[in-house]
Amino acid sequence: EAGVTQFPSHSVIEKGQTVTLRCDPISGHDNLYWYRRVMGKEIKFLLHFVKESKQDESGMPNNRFLAERTGGTYSTLKVQPAELEDSGVYFCASSRLPDSPLHFGNGTRLTVT
Amino acid sequence: AQSVTQPDIHITVSEGASLELRCNYSYGATPYLFWYVQSPGQGLQLLLKYFSGDTLVQGIKGFEAEFKRSQSSFNLRKPSVHWSDAAEYFCAVLSGYSTLTFGKGTMLLVSP
Repeated sequence: EAGVTQFPSHSVIEKGQTVTLRCDPISGHDNLYWYRRVMGKEIKFLLHFVKESKQDESGMPNNRFLAERTGGTYSTLKVQPAELEDSGVYFCASSRLPDSPLHFGNGTRLTVT
Repeated sequence: AQSVTQPDIHITVSEGASLELRCNYSYGATPYLFWYVQSPGQGLQLLLKYFSGDTLVQGIKGFEAEFKRSQSSFNLRKPSVHWSDAAEYFCAVLSGYSTLTFGKGTMLLVSP
């Protein structure tokens, strides 16, 4: 089966610009997660979708971040406007059931200059 | 709040030598514990997990981990390291409904 796909793999933007990250989960996986790793820090949970619904968005840092999963398939994470502290690697993961092992994508490395 | 501590940021091991990566957790109930590995340019790959039962867990690529409740530890071990094991290793605990709390990671370097 195809794995979790994230696009783009790298993105360099200026402070104040907008960036949209995309994640295509494994087909049939209703659960989709976004995580982020800021340089030198832990990988931190951002939010969890079950199909198209947000199950838990307690990790979203602020209202500059907007995640969507229309139709319950792929998901996007938009950062608008981007700030320097948003730089890091954004990981997407999916699973068939909430307690199934997570399958991670390769991540999107975001650099805000 | 749940937390995971990986005290070693970097570890260098000679190829063929044994490896132990440390992980300590803080969690009120019986923890569900994981080890993930990230090779350069790759995503996180699950090595092994502990939910219950036997405290010695076998994983992929010859790795194993031992859950010790008395020490709040879940250390990862491998008897003989290969150069391809050079990567970053993350310990994690399942927290909340289905989210993971990760440690900061340990970078493993393998010397010839």
